[in-house]
Amino acid sequence: DAGVTQSPTHLIKTRGQQVTLRCSPKSGHDTVSWYQQALGQGPQFIFQYYEEEERQRGNFPDRFSGHQFPNYSSELNVNALLLGDSALYLCASSLFAYEQYFGPGTRLTVT
Amino acid sequence: GNSVTQMEGPVTLSEEAFLTINCTYTATGYPSLFWYVQYPGEGLQLLLKATKADDKGSNKGFEATYRKETTSFHLEKGSVQVSDSAVYFCALSDLSGGSEKLVFGKGMKLTVNP
Repeated sequence: DAGVTQSPTHLIKTRGQQVTLRCSPKSGHDTVSWYQQALGQGPQFIFQYYEEEERQRGNFPDRFSGHQFPNYSSELNVNALLLGDSALYLCASSLFAYEQYFGPGTRLTVT
Repeated sequence: GNSVTQMEGPVTLSEEAFLTINCTYTATGYPSLFWYVQYPGEGLQLLLKATKADDKGSNKGFEATYRKETTSFHLEKGSVQVSDSAVYFCALSDLSGGSEKLVFGKGMKLTVNP
C-alpha cells in the first residue's frame, strides 16, 4: 500500500515564475492538506481540500491556490514566486478529519 | 489563537542519555496533542499522540503525557540511540476552522553521538 507521494522531489524556480506541486494521497484517504516548512521552522498550514473544495485556509496570500481532483489527488500552485517562498512543501492526507499522514515533501528553491 | 511552544535546540546527547523535550500549548478547548519526528531528508512521521487529559502516548521507547493543568506534553526517552538523531516537532489539532489542521512548534534538532 503506497503512502502519500509527492512530485517533484526538488524544484528550482526564478522570482516571478509560477510553480505547481503535486500530491497523491494514501489509498482510502479523501482529504488533502498542504503545509509550508521554511528552513529551521515548523510546518505552517496552507489549506485543506475535501470533496474537491477548499475546506479551510491558513494565513497565506492568494498567490497560493490549489485544486483537488475526483481521484482525491491534489495540486498546489504558487504564482509570482518570491524568494521567501523557498521552503519544503508537505502534503498530508487523511480520511475526513482523522490522523494525517505526511508525504516526503517537495523542496522548492526560488532564486 | 492556538499555538505550541517547544524547547528549541539544537541538542547533542551521548548514546544512552536521558532525553526530555519540553512542549507547552495554548488552545481553546481540549485539542489532541502529537509528537512528530523528521529524519534527515524525509517528511514527518507521527511518533505518538494523546487525545485527552492524562492520556499517555508511547512508541519506540518515547513517552509523553497530556497534562491539562500545566498545558504541557513533554517528550521523554530513558536511553537515546544514535538512530534517534532527528528533528522533533510538538503539534496540536486545531478544529477552530471547522475541520482539523495541525499547529506545530518550531522543532528541536537532536543529535546523538556514539
